[in-house]
Amino acid sequence: DQQVKQNSPSLSVQEGRISILNCDYTNSMFDYFLWYKKYPAEGPTFLISISSIKDKNEDGRFTVFLNKSAKHLSLHIVPSQPGDSAVYFCAARDSGAGSYQLTFGKGTKLSVIP
Amino acid sequence: DTGVSQNPRHKITKRGQNVTFRCDPISEHNRLYWYRQTLGQGPEFLTYFQNEAQLEKSRLLSDRFSAERPKGSFSTLEIQRTEQGDSAMYLCASSLDRNYEQYFGPGTRLTVT
Repeated sequence: DQQVKQNSPSLSVQEGRISILNCDYTNSMFDYFLWYKKYPAEGPTFLISISSIKDKNEDGRFTVFLNKSAKHLSLHIVPSQPGDSAVYFCAARDSGAGSYQLTFGKGTKLSVIP
Repeated sequence: DTGVSQNPRHKITKRGQNVTFRCDPISEHNRLYWYRQTLGQGPEFLTYFQNEAQLEKSRLLSDRFSAERPKGSFSTLEIQRTEQGDSAMYLCASSLDRNYEQYFGPGTRLTVT
């Protein structure tokens, strides 16, 4: 059973516009959420994170929003650039689990069109 | 380069052979994780080490898999008697401590023929 779901396998956005990537989770024990970006033939690169005690975290062009009641988070990229084209993974962590392992969604492939 | 490194980057092996992968974490990171990623999926947790102690294993880690982290530095992941279903990208990640982000290496892509 997928505990972290990214329901859009792909997304195409025009350069300069906003990209919005969505993620839903089912495990109410998750208390920390991360977004990773992955280029082909490379490992995932950490992008931005948010704790469950917050509802927004911003870092430059990237903002993550968390709606705990809906068990939903989203990543906003503004403005989108061609170099942002990659697969984006949403990940969640249960800090009570000891291992602090990450549970990942299946990813959303973002294509930013020049 | 002070990031997480993994070797080899690619490995092709025949079914039934043993393979070993190596991960060198970021120095001073005491937590080290192994994940596996198959096509169309996100990475899935396999096991983790805190220093040299292997503290948790996923149910995905069958008896044919073994991991070590001698002296709490680099780690190795060995797969014995490989099967075609073992074909995947094997990712290593490290973190400074439990509340810190995990940083991933480039992965080792295993193909079992």
